[in-house]
Amino acid sequence: DSGVTQTPKHLITATGQRVTLRCSPRSGDLSVYWYQQSLDQGLQFLIQYYNGEERAKGNILERFSAQQFPDLHSELNLSSLELGDSALYFCASSVGGAGGFYEQYFGPGTRLTVT
Amino acid sequence: AQSVTQLDSHVSVSEGTPVLLRCNYSSSYSPSLFWYVQHPNKGLQLLLKYTSAATLVKGINGFEAEFKKSETSFHLTKPSAHMSDAAEYFCVVSERAAGNKLTFGGGTRVLVKP
Repeated sequence: DSGVTQTPKHLITATGQRVTLRCSPRSGDLSVYWYQQSLDQGLQFLIQYYNGEERAKGNILERFSAQQFPDLHSELNLSSLELGDSALYFCASSVGGAGGFYEQYFGPGTRLTVT
Repeated sequence: AQSVTQLDSHVSVSEGTPVLLRCNYSSSYSPSLFWYVQHPNKGLQLLLKYTSAATLVKGINGFEAEFKKSETSFHLTKPSAHMSDAAEYFCVVSERAAGNKLTFGGGTRVLVKP
């Protein structure tokens, strides 16, 4: 158990809908990262937040957005969902994020299925 | 820009025989390198990491990896495979200049035969 929690574990929704994925980092970790794992794209970094502020952006679509709250939990919002958004979404956390090489701890993931 | 290539998408070994998973990386700066393992229907777990200290890195569950700068490689080995090693393995590179962003290789799926 990494100490990172993600809810829900599974999510099934229809095209065009909007969903919110939630992540709670390990106690003491200030950085939260979001990743997408799909069969065709593999594992891709989406976005990072550090202590409430966006720190780095990866291959995140404009339909997707995230935020980190004062209690350091994070939410990933996916809107206007398409079939291709079906994937496993991971959250990870680390102590630092301001340019250091901090180990990232991964949550169990949320499996999103868009029908 | 950083990138990672895992040279084998699938590796099949017999229980008790050595495991070798190959990884080459490309990085503009001095990278950190990691190996993560993902068991079926589970999240990713860190096996080991290299962050410019000793070039031979020992990880959990008997795995180790050697950083070879001249070959831009970071191959993962284990002397004797166990059935519980059946999983997918990811080689990962991270650069300070990229804000600690992780770039993943395509993964190597390991099958262990009894």
